[in-house]
Amino acid sequence: KQEVTQIPAALSVPEGENLVLNCSFTDSAIYNLQWFRQDPGKGLTSLLLIQSSQREQTSGRLNASLDKSSGRSTLYIAASQPGDSATYLCAVISSASKIIFGSGTRLSIRP
Amino acid sequence: GAGVSQSPRYKVTKRGQDVALRCDPISGHVSLYWYRQALGQGPEFLTYFNYEAQQDKSGLPNDRFSAERPEGSISTLTIQRTEQRDSAMYRCASSLAGRNEKLFFGSGTQLSVL
Repeated sequence: KQEVTQIPAALSVPEGENLVLNCSFTDSAIYNLQWFRQDPGKGLTSLLLIQSSQREQTSGRLNASLDKSSGRSTLYIAASQPGDSATYLCAVISSASKIIFGSGTRLSIRP
Repeated sequence: GAGVSQSPRYKVTKRGQDVALRCDPISGHVSLYWYRQALGQGPEFLTYFNYEAQQDKSGLPNDRFSAERPEGSISTLTIQRTEQRDSAMYRCASSLAGRNEKLFFGSGTQLSVL
């Protein structure tokens, strides 16, 4: 059974810092991994999708990496801004096309 | 439509009543997923469809929960004889065909069972 874990559960950093969010999964037989952003009381917005054959994806200040063999992904946020404050969730798609989410990391950027 | 639409936005019901939650996916999206999200947790998989076929319902908690997508577009999640523990945010998401497509979520239906 696939399990997705995100550590830490919460993170607070001053504005301007670079930061890394972590995601780990127990079954390396995945098709892809997605990172989502969720603002309080809002829906989820897809940020980046990494296919299993890829090592990383970049969008603006965001860079996501994937290491299938070790069951890990990281989301790197450069030059953080207060507007980046949100909960970040990772999700993996396994062979059964079931998408399993982690519990998320609640990020707070201090001005 | 422009995005995934869910209705109602809020639903308050009494224990024992049946509720039906509606999801209208993005036009042309083949795959449709239902999730349930508790406060402070990630979404929990319930079921998913490709076109009108229910591919996986292993996440449905018990037989009071059912879902359908009869014409491969709009989907309905039905909860019979609701219980207080069913209270949660129910989210629908859709994607184009294939596993390597981004998932687009609706705003959800907040269900409260009194």
